[in-house]
Amino acid sequence: NAGVMQNPRHLVRRRGQEARLRCSPMKGHSHVYWYRQLPEEGLKFMVYLQKENIIDESGMPKERFSAEFPKEGPSILRIQQVVRGDSAAYFCANSRGPLYQETQYFGPGTRLLVL
Amino acid sequence: AQSVTQPDIHITVSEGASLELRCNYSYGATPYLFWYVQSPGQGLQLLLKYFSGDTLVQGIKGFEAEFKRSQSSFNLRKPSVHWSDAAEYFCAVGVKAAGNKLTFGGGTRVLVKP
Repeated sequence: NAGVMQNPRHLVRRRGQEARLRCSPMKGHSHVYWYRQLPEEGLKFMVYLQKENIIDESGMPKERFSAEFPKEGPSILRIQQVVRGDSAAYFCANSRGPLYQETQYFGPGTRLLVL
Repeated sequence: AQSVTQPDIHITVSEGASLELRCNYSYGATPYLFWYVQSPGQGLQLLLKYFSGDTLVQGIKGFEAEFKRSQSSFNLRKPSVHWSDAAEYFCAVGVKAAGNKLTFGGGTRVLVKP
């Protein structure tokens, strides 16, 4: 069973462009989470999704950021009109079930650089 | 507000020496506790976790951690450090009532001297 897959691993965008980050969870892991790690900081929760549903987006910036986890295909984190402050590592995690039952396993991350 | 504190930003330890990394949290409810390790440019690897039961938990790579409710702590220990343990270590906490998200500490970077 392969681990959590994220692509691309590195992404460079100019200010104002769009960034699309993909996360393919492990087989049988239907709970997906996105976290952001700013330079020299810990990870901050952004959003929690299950198939076709956003369960908790309390950590997501109100503008320019969106996330989806369609019935088929990977979860997508989309950042519109990127700014330099969006430069960070974005990690996807997955689990089989809720936090109190199951562990979250992390992918390798996508490192976004905004020029 | 819920928070996780790792008081030590950097720790330098000699190879073969013992290591202890501190983690304190502030939550009203019983937390679920985790330690992850991150090597440079890599993702996070789970070292160990505490959900319930025995407060001393064993993890991978010879690490262990002890949950002390009275001190709101979950410190990570290793008796003898190897050069390959140089990495950044993150403590993370979750609470059922707060949903499924993890709250992370700021991390402790460990440097191992030969």
